[in-house]
Amino acid sequence: GESVGLHLPTLSVQEGDNSIINCAYSNSASDYFIWYKQESGKGPQFIIDIRSNMDKRQGQRVTVLLNKTVKHLSLQIAATQPGDSAVYFCAEWSGNTPLVFGKGTRLSVIA
Amino acid sequence: GAGVSQSPSNKVTEKGKDVELRCDPISGHTALYWYRQSLGQGLEFLIYFQGNSAPDKSGLPSDRFSAERTGGSVSTLTIQRTQQEDSAVYLCASSLLGQGAEKLFFGSGTQLSVL
Repeated sequence: GESVGLHLPTLSVQEGDNSIINCAYSNSASDYFIWYKQESGKGPQFIIDIRSNMDKRQGQRVTVLLNKTVKHLSLQIAATQPGDSAVYFCAEWSGNTPLVFGKGTRLSVIA
Repeated sequence: GAGVSQSPSNKVTEKGKDVELRCDPISGHTALYWYRQSLGQGLEFLIYFQGNSAPDKSGLPSDRFSAERTGGSVSTLTIQRTQQEDSAVYLCASSLLGQGAEKLFFGSGTQLSVL
């Protein structure tokens, strides 16, 4: 079946540095790709999404890049802060099907 | 309330017992999801309700699992004859739909422990 996965399960970043979290996907028919952030003891929280006809989308301190040629998605966090420490999930969505989530990457920010 | 509310936040039960987990979605949201998250793992889709349509039950792992949504609002996930492998965090989410990407609003989950 289709799957959404990640290159790295954990990532440690120095406070103030930029973070890059990667994700590989296999369903080229997906309409949207989405990033969620899950802090300890909480449910996932929507961060940013990108439509499949776009290559890049910027939000507040976050940028999502989509490379459809190699089916790769990344989330870039600028000037990483301690509050960014969490597990980050990529997900893909197409039409009326439920969101499919990847396994997640744990981001640890070193003060 | 302003967000998705789940109860109980923690549930400890004995193997073989039935449990019911409750989800109160955001008012006005037409779509409701249940996901399961095992320790250190990703989110496993269980079931999806959208308006008055028949629910998508394709993710339910066995016939011990069932869910209903009454009046298009509150949902209850029932696990019969619980097994130890059912131990996980059960997350509920709701969404408005029709906004392009399916932005889900999650509750904090119910931590289920089966002894």
